[in-house]
Amino acid sequence: DVQVTQSPSSLSASVGDRVTITCQASQDIYSSLNWYQHKPGRAPQLLIYDAYNLETGVPSRFSGSGSGTHFTFAISSLQPEDVATYFCQGHDDTDDTLLLTFGGGTMVDI
Amino acid sequence: QVHLVESGGGVVQPGRSLRLSCAASTFTFSAYGLHWVRRAPGKGLEWVAVIWYDGSKKYYGDSVKGRFTISRDNSKNTLFLEMNSLRAEDTAVYYCARERTPYSTGFYYLDYWGPGTLVTVSS
Repeated sequence: DVQVTQSPSSLSASVGDRVTITCQASQDIYSSLNWYQHKPGRAPQLLIYDAYNLETGVPSRFSGSGSGTHFTFAISSLQPEDVATYFCQGHDDTDDTLLLTFGGGTMVDI
Repeated sequence: QVHLVESGGGVVQPGRSLRLSCAASTFTFSAYGLHWVRRAPGKGLEWVAVIWYDGSKKYYGDSVKGRFTISRDNSKNTLFLEMNSLRAEDTAVYYCARERTPYSTGFYYLDYWGPGTLVTVSS
């Protein structure tokens, strides 16, 4: 099964800072890595799909990059409304099965 | 605007059963694969199950396999999760979520999520 390891588990930064989060896959998953934002009491929100595609309506300060086993998520200029937990997500669909896997999450604070 | 709303959560004793529902509106329900994802208190997101747009395939996370059953009624735009033999570690907010790409074409990113329903397993 594909495992995704996310780091760091938490970070604190100032408004306007650039913030980066990494996700390492246990095997080559090409560009099949997605990023979500989750705020307490709210539904998770898709931010980036297939490694680098910005979901419709998501601010351009969010970005994603990488392929294969190493992926990076960035917020170019941290805003107060970006306080949330961020998750990467991959999947394994080999051997006629499907398993989605989330990273452990990164709690972003200001 | 796509709308998903979960219901059926509550407090249940260990070993008992519970059935969650997810009512959908304002999109072609029968064209999309649907997932259940949960988040336990103080933990991260955990994928629970998926069902193909036509119900032809279903897959489960290892921690719920054999205990949970996902199903859907395309005539009523509703997704279900039947949860049996519940354990304390199943305590979580359960979310239903839609695949962004229709017809279960192998792109597993989830673009719309419901607000969630809380399941608490406790004696």
